[in-house]
Amino acid sequence: RKEVEQDPGPFNVPEGATVAFNCTYSNSASQSFFWYRQDCRKEPKLLMSVYSSGNEDGRFTAQLNRASQYISLLIRDSKLSDSATYLCAVNTDSWGKFQFGAGTQVVVTP
Amino acid sequence: SQTIHQWPATLVQPVGSPLSLECTVEGTSNPNLYWYRQAAGRGLQLLFYSVGIGQISSEVPQNLSASRPQDRQFILSSKKLLLSDSGFYLCAGRLAGGPYEQYFGPGTRLTVT
Repeated sequence: RKEVEQDPGPFNVPEGATVAFNCTYSNSASQSFFWYRQDCRKEPKLLMSVYSSGNEDGRFTAQLNRASQYISLLIRDSKLSDSATYLCAVNTDSWGKFQFGAGTQVVVTP
Repeated sequence: SQTIHQWPATLVQPVGSPLSLECTVEGTSNPNLYWYRQAAGRGLQLLFYSVGIGQISSEVPQNLSASRPQDRQFILSSKKLLLSDSGFYLCAGRLAGGPYEQYFGPGTRLTVT
């Protein structure tokens, strides 16, 4: 089993709709979690950090479920510009090493 | 805030040739630095990380090596490239002793032919 798993998608979302997807992790000792956005052929850009139960930033909400070992990302009122691949990252130790999921592709359509 | 620079942006190299990719950081001192590789359509694989000058930890056995000759310089090298070394190489930095967030440079897209 992979340490961090994501549904690859694509999630096809009408503009203005809400989309949510999950990321599961296997290391129960993981303490911090991150969502990155990656555009085609570009570097990942940090979207949100999750250190406790969740985080909200505008239209984006991340939730952590420690019991079931997953984090979710919800995007409300989707914009065309939200089309991207969303990478989940899990911090695995005090050196700050990350395990990344393979990403979930989101396509927002007009 | 820290900024990560990488060059070159793209590189096409023949099998068996050497490789040197450079990553430099500005805006912070003594950052933790990381080299990742992303194969097409895949997630990021951690290759090396460094917590200080001359300190390198390798995550995946391979024909690549890394060095940190200066506090804000991180170099990825190979003596002889393989076809399987093709990919998108990303350098990331994290503030030493700070939050765990990592910030990425623009990456180098390597094609081995």
